[in-house]
Amino acid sequence: SQQGEEDPQALSIQEGENATMNCSYKTSINNLQWYRQNSGRGLVHLILIRSNEREKHSGRLRVTLDTSKKSSSLLITASRAADTASYFCATDAGGNQFYFGTGTSLTVIP
Amino acid sequence: DAMVIQNPRYQVTQFGKPVTLSCSQTLNHNVMYWYQQKSSQAPKLLFHYYDKDFNNEADTPDNFQSRRPNTSFCFLDIRSPGLGDAAMYLCATSRGGSIAYEQYFGPGTRLTVT
Repeated sequence: SQQGEEDPQALSIQEGENATMNCSYKTSINNLQWYRQNSGRGLVHLILIRSNEREKHSGRLRVTLDTSKKSSSLLITASRAADTASYFCATDAGGNQFYFGTGTSLTVIP
Repeated sequence: DAMVIQNPRYQVTQFGKPVTLSCSQTLNHNVMYWYQQKSSQAPKLLFHYYDKDFNNEADTPDNFQSRRPNTSFCFLDIRSPGLGDAAMYLCATSRGGSIAYEQYFGPGTRLTVT
């Protein structure tokens, strides 16, 4: 399977704290993307990082990519209750196919 | 305005009774995807179309078929649904090209098999 793995599986933090989740994958990639999914809904794209990039920022999000370790991390700073969702990484190894990681369920307690 | 639309949002079918799920897009994207997502699991890619070219994943059961009659529409046909096919089915689109772009997802269709 080309599916990646994320850890932790579940994360619970207080509002205002930072949340970090990690994604590991198995094959070489062209890019890696992070998505958010609210319960029972479709996925929303958060950020894309290409294989030649090491770090990317978007608002309160910071993504890093280490291709030598085949891993990525997503940091959400100053979390809010509205950030409560599942977060998935998705890798693209070419051919416009995406494979999702196992996901991290984030709960932000007000 | 909705960009990727899935109908119906909820579908109940009987064991073995064929069912079709539909997806439409207003983004004019080249690529359309179908994913299956079971409870608390990651979306699993079933297949995708790049324009009219169909790309099936190796582990997608033959029970699942797809049609893309034009750029805007894509259908998922489940020929003989089993209890194990109960899931959320997600449609997504992407610009496509030599490098991949972000995907835009519809709200999903939740399929129940009785």
